[in-house]
Amino acid sequence: SQQGEEDPQALSIQEGENATMNCSYKTSINNLQWYRQNSGRGLVHLILIRSNEREKHSGRLRVTLDTSKKSSSLLITASRAADTASYFCATSLFGNEKLTFGTGTRLTIIP
Amino acid sequence: GAGVSQSPSNKVTEKGKDVELRCDPISGHTALYWYRQSLGQGLEFLIYFQGNSAPDKSGLPSDRFSAERTGGSVSTLTIQRTQQEDSAVYLCASSLVGQGGSYGYTFGSGTRLTVV
Repeated sequence: SQQGEEDPQALSIQEGENATMNCSYKTSINNLQWYRQNSGRGLVHLILIRSNEREKHSGRLRVTLDTSKKSSSLLITASRAADTASYFCATSLFGNEKLTFGTGTRLTIIP
Repeated sequence: GAGVSQSPSNKVTEKGKDVELRCDPISGHTALYWYRQSLGQGLEFLIYFQGNSAPDKSGLPSDRFSAERTGGSVSTLTIQRTQQEDSAVYLCASSLVGQGGSYGYTFGSGTRLTVV
């Protein structure tokens, strides 16, 4: 079964608004990563947050991690049409190089 | 190379035929991964290589699926006697090796396999 589950499954917002996506997972993790996928092909790594970190920023992206609730959120501020994509969280367990991906959130930015 | 290269980008095959999918990782990336993604779904792990060995091949769905990696570089995923349920996008990724997936993956653009 999937380690990560994203919520919502789909999200549509107006350009310029902020978009928030959530990810829940089941077991203790080493780190959590977010990826973007355009047009159902290759994924692009966005940001990585380690289990001992609570918040991380990269440009318009802000990621939080709450290990007590086993959840993470990805905030995209001032959204643009180019942000339209599917977003996946992925978790890494200690001592394991494999990433387990969630089911994804489909984000649509309306111009 | 500069990125992860996968070939072919698209493959249509008849049910029962064998197919080979190729992945050329980023130079210096010792870890290589295969995933597949069915339409509108998440990524399903297939196999992980460290160098030429596969410490984790737990995701291979059946004995029709096999993969190898030679010279610590190029990997080939082979599907024998293809079935319609094998239709999916097959994604390859590579990474540096840290502790517990400490480095992000770089993905290729995938091979879209259609079994008719």
